[in-house]
Amino acid sequence: SQTIHQWPATLVQPVGSPLSLECTVEGTSNPNLYWYRQAAGRGLQLLFYSVGIGQISSEVPQNLSASRPQDRQFILSSKKLLLSDSGFYLCAWSVQGFSNQPQHFGDGTRLSIL
Amino acid sequence: GQQVMQIPQYQHVQEGEDFTTYCNSSTTLSNIQWYKQRPGGHPVFLIQLVKSGEVKKQKRLTFQFGEAKKNSSLHITATQTTDVGTYFCAGGGLYNFNKFYFGSGTKLNVKP
Repeated sequence: SQTIHQWPATLVQPVGSPLSLECTVEGTSNPNLYWYRQAAGRGLQLLFYSVGIGQISSEVPQNLSASRPQDRQFILSSKKLLLSDSGFYLCAWSVQGFSNQPQHFGDGTRLSIL
Repeated sequence: GQQVMQIPQYQHVQEGEDFTTYCNSSTTLSNIQWYKQRPGGHPVFLIQLVKSGEVKKQKRLTFQFGEAKKNSSLHITATQTTDVGTYFCAGGGLYNFNKFYFGSGTKLNVKP
């Protein structure tokens, strides 16, 4: 069966520090991968999605970047964190296909910027 | 750009009462998906609707997809405390099968 791992679960970082969040998927090949951010009590904002190694689509201009160095690995990064980067970051995967497929989310990372 | 609006933002009900959340898209969708996020958790996929006018049921939950494939609803009959959480709809793009447009969610609180 497929599983998605996301770490760390919580993170407290000072303003101006770098960030690296990692997400890996097991049990499937060539998945679509997604990064979302959820502000407290709010909806899901799509940040990036990827349909293959090295292929990244950015949805909103921001202080973050994403990379997909391997088929089942998706990394969210920042060189210098801002206060506004605080939130709940969720990674998700879905099967690639000819129609939208259900997304399966990781447990998320709660990021607090001080 | 494409948007999916969801109402209400919050709903407080007494256990046993019914609950409905609605999603509306500015454009036609290829399909609609529904997710539930428990407090402190991550969204979990509930169901997907693809056909115009489709209705699906999961026990006390009834999901509908509009005839024009631009709106959807989730209805829960006789809510229970286990229904507490935030319910999200996510619309699939007509021309980009890799992208989803999430509604802002409806937070349901059920009083015992």
